[in-house]
Amino acid sequence: AQTVTQSQPEMSVQEAETVTLSCTYDTSENNYYLFWYKQPPSRQMILVIRQEAYKQQNATENRFSVNFQKAAKSFSLKISDSQLGDTAMYFCAFMKTRNQFYFGTGTSLTVIP
Amino acid sequence: GAVVSQHPSRVICKSGTSVKIECRSLDFQATTMFWYRQFPKKSLMLMATSNEGSKATYEQGVEKDKFLINHASLTLSTLTVTSAHPEDSSFYICSAGDSNYGYTFGSGTRLTVV
Repeated sequence: AQTVTQSQPEMSVQEAETVTLSCTYDTSENNYYLFWYKQPPSRQMILVIRQEAYKQQNATENRFSVNFQKAAKSFSLKISDSQLGDTAMYFCAFMKTRNQFYFGTGTSLTVIP
Repeated sequence: GAVVSQHPSRVICKSGTSVKIECRSLDFQATTMFWYRQFPKKSLMLMATSNEGSKATYEQGVEKDKFLINHASLTLSTLTVTSAHPEDSSFYICSAGDSNYGYTFGSGTRLTVV
């Protein structure tokens, strides 16, 4: 079974500051995808960023970027210039070739004004 | 972008009855859809993979006779919770897409069994 670990249940950051959320995963696959999803209080899952394992270049999406370390099986999310609207649960997810997602336990992020 | 519609958003049913949840891909065809269950302040747990025109694939520990999945068309998958009990109360979410298109989640269904 695939496992995804998020070791930080809760985090907080001051508005406009930078925060990094950690994620590690365990797999024997070589081809896979990694994602970060945001779940605000509305509980709608929103895609933040995705990374293909075969790409060495780290994905970026505006204020969001990842640090993908394939050998270490690490996939952290950096949020720059944090905004109040970034307050949410953040889930790291692993997807293998069968297109099934496996989610981490989540990190609750609070942006403090 | 891809849109997935899930209905109803909330449902309350009596113990022993069945309830159906619909998941529709509005602007794309989805041969595969996924059903998840989420407990309060917990992660999403994959329940099953819904395959158009064939039987669903259930994750270990998920009762296929309790959670019936039908994927009769390329845009609709349904999850029916049969003979619901209070312990089935949860938040259910579907998703659809592919690695090229991207994956989109429905807005979820909060099921309460009384």
